Amino acid sequence: KAGVTQTPRYLIKTRGQQVTLSCSPISGHRSVSWYQQTPGQGLQFLFEYFSETQRNKGNFPGRFSGRQFSNSRSEMNVSTLELGDSALYLCASRTGTGTNTEAFFGQGTRLTVV
Amino acid sequence: QQPVQSPQAVILREGEDAVINCSSSKALYSVHWYRQKHGEAPVFLMILLKGGEQKGHEKISASFNEKKQQSSLYLTASQLSYSGTYFCGTATSGTYKYIFGTGTRLKVLA
Repeated sequence: KAGVTQTPRYLIKTRGQQVTLSCSPISGHRSVSWYQQTPGQGLQFLFEYFSETQRNKGNFPGRFSGRQFSNSRSEMNVSTLELGDSALYLCASRTGTGTNTEAFFGQGTRLTVV
Repeated sequence: QQPVQSPQAVILREGEDAVINCSSSKALYSVHWYRQKHGEAPVFLMILLKGGEQKGHEKISASFNEKKQQSSLYLTASQLSYSGTYFCGTATSGTYKYIFGTGTRLKVLA
């Protein structure tokens, strides 16, 4: 069974640009969550999608947005990039949104903003 | 509100035990534990649910004190493979979104 796939693995962007990251969940998983990971901050929750609907959102500015397609694949977009957006972006898929379901994480996309 | 993990870092010798704690300021529905090795994705270890139900790793145990809104992960007879950063993730009442702590770095030495 294929795991969670995130593309690209590495990105270097310039301040002010925008970027789109992609996440393909495990087959059959309908929930996709996104997290930003930086040293010292742990995993910061960005948002969660289930069946193409955003169910939860973290405390990030509106420059961070996402969407989910009918095949459960999800994309995350960051506009007007800032140096502080440099981080590892992880997505996690789950079968549902219940609190008893474990998350399966992808390898992440490492974004560097210069 | 991000849960607080303690200690922030711990170094052990093989065979020693460790306890990692996770505290939340809000009522919890469930607590999840994950381990992340350097350069890898976090991997699921255990879920603890309100009411006492647990599921997860056979060789790792954990507790969940609903009243104190705390969870502890117990690593016994540690092995080199236990090294990594441990995160607790909490789902608070009514939200169902998972908030992770800042992590505990654990290193096991031979």
